[in-house]
Amino acid sequence: DIQMTQSPSSLSASVGDRVTFTCRASQSISTYLNWYQQKPGKAPKLLIYAASSLQSGVPSRFSGSGSGTDFTLTISSLQPEDFATYYCQQSYSTPRTFGQGTKVEIK
Amino acid sequence: EVQLVESGGDLVQPGGSLRLSCAASGFTFSNYWMHWVRQAPGKGLVWVSRVSSDGSGTNYADSVKDRFTISRDNAKNTLYLQMNSLGAEDTAVYYCARSRADIARSMDVWGQGTTVTVSS
Repeated sequence: DIQMTQSPSSLSASVGDRVTFTCRASQSISTYLNWYQQKPGKAPKLLIYAASSLQSGVPSRFSGSGSGTDFTLTISSLQPEDFATYYCQQSYSTPRTFGQGTKVEIK
Repeated sequence: EVQLVESGGDLVQPGGSLRLSCAASGFTFSNYWMHWVRQAPGKGLVWVSRVSSDGSGTNYADSVKDRFTISRDNAKNTLYLQMNSLGAEDTAVYYCARSRADIARSMDVWGQGTTVTVSS
């Protein structure tokens, strides 16, 4: 199974900050890497697919990069509605696996 | 509107069984692979199972293999998860999700979730 490791597990930031967090796969997954946002009590929402493609309707302040084993998600200017938990997920092979999540909290 | 609505979650005793359903609407259900993903209280997302668009192919996480069965009825636009021999470790919110081959097999539509609690 492919293990996905996210860092950090949590971070505190202010509105307007640029934040970046990372996801590392235990083996190469090409660009089969997706990012989801989840708010408390809600279902996950797809933000980025194929490592760097923005899902329709997602604000352009979100961006993704990477290939192989190392990936990043960047929020260029944090907005109040962005405080949530973010998960990476590989779709290269089965079983599909998620990272443990990065929780973005208000500083 | 594209929508997935799960149902069937309940409180069940250890060793019991439950069947979850996921009703799809607003898209051609039979064209998509479908997944179940669960989330234990306060924990992260864990993939459970997937089924091919025609129902002929299935995969499972090791933790549920031989206990859970995923299936679908394309005539009824409904996905199912039959869960047997339930244990406390199966307590979670269960989400169904649509997978799209054209966008890196990502899960682009999710249901609101249904809660399964395994307890005596």
